[in-house]
Amino acid sequence: DTEVTQTPKHLVMGMTNKKSLKCEQHMGHRAMYWYKQKAKKPPELMFVYSYEKLSINESVPSRFSPECPNSSLLNLHLHALQPEDSALYLCASSRSITGGYNEQFFGPGTRLTVL
Amino acid sequence: AQSVTQLGSHVSVSEGALVLLRCNYSSSVPPYLFWYVQYPNQGLQLLLKYTSAATLVKGINGFEAEFKKSETSFHLTKPSAHMSDAAEYFCAVSLDPYPSGGSYIPTFGRGTSLIVHP
Repeated sequence: DTEVTQTPKHLVMGMTNKKSLKCEQHMGHRAMYWYKQKAKKPPELMFVYSYEKLSINESVPSRFSPECPNSSLLNLHLHALQPEDSALYLCASSRSITGGYNEQFFGPGTRLTVL
Repeated sequence: AQSVTQLGSHVSVSEGALVLLRCNYSSSVPPYLFWYVQYPNQGLQLLLKYTSAATLVKGINGFEAEFKKSETSFHLTKPSAHMSDAAEYFCAVSLDPYPSGGSYIPTFGRGTSLIVHP
């Protein structure tokens, strides 16, 4: 199974809501990533988990809160978002972050709209 | 710091014509290089990668890329474009251990949108 799954596919939320995005992989990868992607732009790195520990936080606002409950699951908790946070949120995984030759496997993304 | 430059935000070709998407990297040592494709409303998918085993790399869907150290380039080509190749293409480089200690995190180029005309 070389698939990364993400739920939900679409999410519309108000600025006072709390919601969560979910990502799952069963490839035995020990690195998992969250990216934010605006239309016609490259993915912007948000967080990196390595062996279930937060390894990199790209100065993301605290209204985004990542969580890695186990080696297969990655969540992104959302609270008090702003309209400018509307974007495609991509999850990715790779074997590890200690080898530059490791390609990333991406999920289909969650299209988030903040009203 | 690692970086890639993708020349041309849009490339337009006719169906059956040669596809050439350009990628140049900045590095003083051989990098790891990747090409990803993103179809509308989907995630990124790996087309091919360079890891120093061979300078000409063949990927999926008939794409290939050649690593040229002297030109610091890793251009993506396909001999004959198909309508289904219309998508966004990203070149990525992984080279320097990330500032936070020995991690390799790829850096993406800005992307090139491939348009295929019938």
